[in-house]
Amino acid sequence: EVQLVESGGGLVQPGRSLRLSCAASGFNFEDYVMHWVRQAPGKGLEWVSGISWNSGRIDYADSVKGRFAISRDNAKKFLYLQMNSLRTEDTAFYYCARQTTVTGNYYAMDVWGQGTTVTVSS
Amino acid sequence: DIQMTQSPSSLSASVGDRVTITCRASQSISNYLNWYQQKPGKAPKLLIYAASSLQSGVPSRFSGSGSGTDFTLTISSLQPEDFGSYYCQQSYSTLRLTFGGGTKVEI
Repeated sequence: EVQLVESGGGLVQPGRSLRLSCAASGFNFEDYVMHWVRQAPGKGLEWVSGISWNSGRIDYADSVKGRFAISRDNAKKFLYLQMNSLRTEDTAFYYCARQTTVTGNYYAMDVWGQGTTVTVSS
Repeated sequence: DIQMTQSPSSLSASVGDRVTITCRASQSISNYLNWYQQKPGKAPKLLIYAASSLQSGVPSRFSGSGSGTDFTLTISSLQPEDFGSYYCQQSYSTLRLTFGGGTKVEI
C-alpha cells in the first residue's frame, strides 16, 4: 500500500524548534518530488516547501524561508522538515505529499499523509 | 510568485444543483491547474489535473475547464457526499505549487 505517515508534531514555545518526519512506504520514494503543505485551523491549504528527488532543487514559501529546512533520506525513505524560530502563525496541521507526473509535464500531489499538528504557543 | 484567487469562498447549494467554482491566476499558467477536494479532518484528494482531466475514480459529474488565467470547476449535479472544501492549485511552477484560498461547499 502506498502510504505517507507524518510524525514529530506537538506543542512548542515561540522561538523554539521542531523537526517533522514523513515515512514513505509502498513506492519508490527516490523517484518522486516531495512537499510539505500546511493548514492553519479553519484556514486553507498553504504550500510550505518542496524538494526534488535528489535534493538538488529546493524551494520554500516566503512565510518560512530562512526558518524552515526541508531534507530527505532516500535510503531510509524519509522526508523531513526542520522548523526553527517558530512563530504562533506557524500553528497548523502539516501534511507531507507526493508529487506525481500525471501526464507529460503535468504535476499534482496524488498521495498525502494523515498530517501532524504543530501548535506554537507560550 | 503566482497567486491563485478562488471565488466564492463559500456557497450553499441543494442536492441536484449545478455548482461552479472559479479560480484565477495572477499570470498565465496555460492549463497547469489542479483541483482538490477536502473533507473535514481528512487530507485533500486530487480531482482534476491539467485543468480538465479527471483523476481516476472521480465521478463524471465533476469537470474542469479553462486556460491561461481563468479556470472553472463544475459539479453538474451536486450530491450529498460532495460537501467539503475545494482548492485549485497551479503546477506551472514545478516546485512552488501554490493553492487558491479554497471554496467551502455546504449542502
